[in-house]
Amino acid sequence: QSVLAQPPSASGTPGQRITFSCSGTTSNIGSNPVSWYQHLPGAAPTLLIHSNDQRPSGVPDRFSGSKSVTSASLAISGLQSEDEADYYCAVRDDSLNGWVFGGGTKLTVL
Amino acid sequence: QVQLMQSGAEVKKSGASVKISCRASGFTFTTYYMHWVRQAPGQGLEWMGIISPYGGGVATYAEKFEGRVTMTRDTSTTTVYMQMTGLTSDDSAVYFCVRGSSGWYYFDYWGQGTLVSVSS
Repeated sequence: QSVLAQPPSASGTPGQRITFSCSGTTSNIGSNPVSWYQHLPGAAPTLLIHSNDQRPSGVPDRFSGSKSVTSASLAISGLQSEDEADYYCAVRDDSLNGWVFGGGTKLTVL
Repeated sequence: QVQLMQSGAEVKKSGASVKISCRASGFTFTTYYMHWVRQAPGQGLEWMGIISPYGGGVATYAEKFEGRVTMTRDTSTTTVYMQMTGLTSDDSAVYFCVRGSSGWYYFDYWGQGTLVSVSS
């Protein structure tokens, strides 16, 4: 049972816009900035979004993030087949004195 | 460019210990916190702990790993280590070393991962 709640799966068709949710509490998302990671099979995870809504250089602007109170969202617009991966949210939890991940959402591009 | 090069796969028996290394390059090793994260088969990512670049390398561990995991760092070789004792089959996973961002709150570079397989 992950501290951050993410739906286990999502699907979309090429070109579509899709969003992923990440729900937490006042001690994590409510207090600290959220980051998102893309994890392709057999590879290391990569940073997609940090500080709630900031894209590192090299990440396409099709990816965007937002946060509201104790929830965060990742949106992908113009869905592509190469976006098929697992997506994780992460945040520091002040009560646990450490970092926590969501359980991950597996994206299937139909 | 930032690189985190981890040691190779390990096969261990239950009850044994494992020590994984992660050699860092391409950045000033002495100014970045380093984390360890693992992923068991079919499971999500799990944060294990963090080691400071200051004060000789003070480490903080997730409660689940307290007493069983030790993180250390060697400034002379820019390498961080993660040692885990009392291995069980539940510890079979891919272990990642991860650089903490200068902004503290997120992970900006990941090692390639080290597979640890534990059998009885």
